[in-house]
Amino acid sequence: SQQGEEDPQALSIQEGENATMNCSYKTSINNLQWYRQNSGRGLVHLILIRSNEREKHSGRLRVTLDTSKKSSSLLITASRAADTASYFCATATGANSKLTFGKGITLSVRP
Amino acid sequence: DTAVSQTPKYLVTQMGNDKSIKCEQNLGHDTMYWYKQDSKKFLKIMFSYNNKELIINETVPNRFSPKSPDKAHLNLHINSLELGDSAVYFCASSQRDRGNTEAFFGQGTRLTVV
Repeated sequence: SQQGEEDPQALSIQEGENATMNCSYKTSINNLQWYRQNSGRGLVHLILIRSNEREKHSGRLRVTLDTSKKSSSLLITASRAADTASYFCATATGANSKLTFGKGITLSVRP
Repeated sequence: DTAVSQTPKYLVTQMGNDKSIKCEQNLGHDTMYWYKQDSKKFLKIMFSYNNKELIINETVPNRFSPKSPDKAHLNLHINSLELGDSAVYFCASSQRDRGNTEAFFGQGTRLTVV
């Protein structure tokens, strides 16, 4: 069964603007991760936030986690055309830290 | 050097055939995975091996059989291919005993069954 649900499903912004993507999940997690997938390519890990963390930064990325609401958000600041891709949240659960992915968000950054 | 490599990248085959996809990782990770991504980009885990032992086996038809000859390799064999098997299959690896770590993905194998 699907764990993560991202919204919006598609986002189109102008270069330089910020992009905010949200993810909600259903069960307790070990950690939550965000991945990027360029068209026709594999997934690339962006950032991981543990269940006991609330916010994390990496370059232009900022991720927040609210375990009480079972939700996370990914903010990409000062977006670039090269950020155009699909973004997935994934939750790691259980003793095996099984990664379950959401359906993904398609981000288009217009130059 | 490619961290997680899959072969072939593209595979076109007829219904009823048997095919294999190979995966190798040179990251020294102890855990490997197979994921299936459908035409709507939904990624679903199929199998996971930790130190050559099967630890995750989702509801997958038994026509799919993973094989892990060693920690660095995880192959996927598919018998009696069906049209619905058409998808992109991704191999991934991670280091499970370090706890919270990310997965590294291969470039995918696009399987088309005709």
